[in-house]
Amino acid sequence: GAGVSQSPSNKVTEKGKDVELRCDPISGHTALYWYRQSLGQGLEFLIYFQGNSAPDKSGLPSDRFSAERTGGSVSTLTIQRTQQEDSAVYLCASSFAGGGVETQYFGPGTRLLVL
Amino acid sequence: AQSVTQLGSHVSVSEGALVLLRCNYSSSVPPYLFWYVQYPNQGLQLLLKYTSAATLVKGINGFEAEFKKSETSFHLTKPSAHMSDAAEYFCAVTGSSNTGKLIFGQGTTLQVKP
Repeated sequence: GAGVSQSPSNKVTEKGKDVELRCDPISGHTALYWYRQSLGQGLEFLIYFQGNSAPDKSGLPSDRFSAERTGGSVSTLTIQRTQQEDSAVYLCASSFAGGGVETQYFGPGTRLLVL
Repeated sequence: AQSVTQLGSHVSVSEGALVLLRCNYSSSVPPYLFWYVQYPNQGLQLLLKYTSAATLVKGINGFEAEFKKSETSFHLTKPSAHMSDAAEYFCAVTGSSNTGKLIFGQGTTLQVKP
């Protein structure tokens, strides 16, 4: 079956604009994760979904960042009033049921550039 | 809190030589440990994982890693490097056994010289 897909693959925006990043997990995977990969900070966890609920939002860097998941499937990460430091690759991953032992399958990422 | 340290941001080997990428972890609970590989402009792909079964874990593409609790290490090795192994490698530990969120090391870029 298809892997994790993300769109858009690249996004260029102006400082202050809002952006939405989309993730389609592997069908049947209940757990979904967002990570951010940047030169300065490496790979950082942002948020974890189990079904449509987000029991762990501890990695969201500010209240400009939010995410939702609908139908236990597609997730959208929204960044409001983008700043230059938001420039990074945003990676989405999914796993069958969540939990520490499960393998997470990653999408190709969305490369965000804030001018 | 869990953390991971990868020693060496860049490693260069000759084709056919041994590959050794170092990873040390810190965890207050028995850890689950992972090695992922990232090729340019792609997502991460799992190479192997340690989940408290065998301490020597074999993965894809001829890679293996050994969990050493006494040394808090999980180094990645491959006996003979191929040009296609050139990529960035990330070691990760589970930050929460409930959620499975991953804590990553800073990554090691492997260069393979002909």
